[in-house]
Amino acid sequence: DAKTTQPPSMDCAEGRAANLPCNHSTISGNEYVYWYRQIHSQGPQYIIHGLKNNETNEMASLIITEDRKSSTLILPHATLRDTAVYYCIVKDYGGSQGNLIFGKGTKLSVKP
Amino acid sequence: DAGITQSPRHKVTETGTPVTLRCHQTENHRYMYWYRQDPGHGLRLIHYSYGVKDTDKGEVSDGYSVSRSKTEDFLLTLESATSSQTSVYFCAISEVGAGEKLFFGSGTQLSVL
Repeated sequence: DAKTTQPPSMDCAEGRAANLPCNHSTISGNEYVYWYRQIHSQGPQYIIHGLKNNETNEMASLIITEDRKSSTLILPHATLRDTAVYYCIVKDYGGSQGNLIFGKGTKLSVKP
Repeated sequence: DAGITQSPRHKVTETGTPVTLRCHQTENHRYMYWYRQDPGHGLRLIHYSYGVKDTDKGEVSDGYSVSRSKTEDFLLTLESATSSQTSVYFCAISEVGAGEKLFFGSGTQLSVL
């Protein structure tokens, strides 16, 4: 079972920031938070990951609360192409290599 | 798709026949993975490889075998396909030290009738 809880769906207006929450209240000290997304019928795409500090890359920002029990993925200016299912995954670094547990994720719909 | 090619993209076969899916990468990454994706189950790891001739089982390995004779190729074989193996199969790759930063292929839709 996934160790994370995400809302099943969210809407966002094109051009606005999309803030996707994830609850991982049982995360352990050596587990990272990873975000992937899957656009319809394509393979999942890695977005970002972090341990405890906030992270930013060209795709998104990841904000992790100080107690690490929850995080938020931020797409700063959502476009129609960001419509996808977003998966939040917690995983220890390198343990059980590649055995990611993809839960149901959040279906983000970006609307014009 | 980060230099990952899966073939075939679509396949329809009959129960009891052998099927081989191929994953080819041009990135020279050490790790390669096979996942399947089914409604209600998300993606599940079938087998993975951590080098040439080095493979290990994932969560749902029963009924599947793999081989990796070259860095760039990872083959998934269904020795005797069953209807329960109808699924979308994804190959993924990652590099040493990259943790769980995986790059996925475009998938193979397999239908076993």
